Amino acid sequence: EAGVTQFPSHSVIEKGQTVTLRCDPISGHDNLYWYRRVMGKEIKFLLHFVKESKQDESGMPNNRFLAERTGGTYSTLKVQPAELEDSGVYFCASSQRSGDPYEQYFGPGTRLTVT
Amino acid sequence: AQSVTQLGSHVSVSEGALVLLRCNYSSSVPPYLFWYVQYPNQGLQLLLKYTSAATLVKGINGFEAEFKKSETSFHLTKPSAHMSDAAEYFCAVSVTSGTYKYIFGTGTRLKVLA
Repeated sequence: EAGVTQFPSHSVIEKGQTVTLRCDPISGHDNLYWYRRVMGKEIKFLLHFVKESKQDESGMPNNRFLAERTGGTYSTLKVQPAELEDSGVYFCASSQRSGDPYEQYFGPGTRLTVT
Repeated sequence: AQSVTQLGSHVSVSEGALVLLRCNYSSSVPPYLFWYVQYPNQGLQLLLKYTSAATLVKGINGFEAEFKKSETSFHLTKPSAHMSDAAEYFCAVSVTSGTYKYIFGTGTRLKVLA
């Protein structure tokens, strides 16, 4: 069974540019989460999808961040325009809706550097 | 509101020595608690979890953790450190209000000395 995959693994962009991160959850996992770790800080929750619906987006920093999950499969996180403080590692995780929804499976992360 | 505190951002132990990584939590409801490990250039991997069953939880790679409600702690231990244990370890509490999102501690980087 394939795990959670994220693309790209690294991205270096200039301030003001746009970047789109992609996450493919484990097949059949209805719950999908985005987290971010800024250097030296804790991993912080950004938002939670149940299928294609946003269940909780309380962690989204501002309206420069747009997350989508069309069709309830993969998800994208777009940052537009990017600012220096957006640099960090963005993790995606998924979990089942039934059974054990508390156990999340994480992807390897996308390291975003904004210069 | 729930929170997690990991004492010690860096911990060094000698190979073969006891590993003790500390985690304290704050939660107004019975928590679900997790330890994840991140090896270099990899994603987070679940080590073990507490979900209100046995208070002593055994995980992978010889790690275990004990849930102590009176101390609001969930410390991670391993009797004998191995060089391959060098990694960053994260304690997390799951919000049990329906979103299941995690609140993480700041992480502890474990260094194992030969």
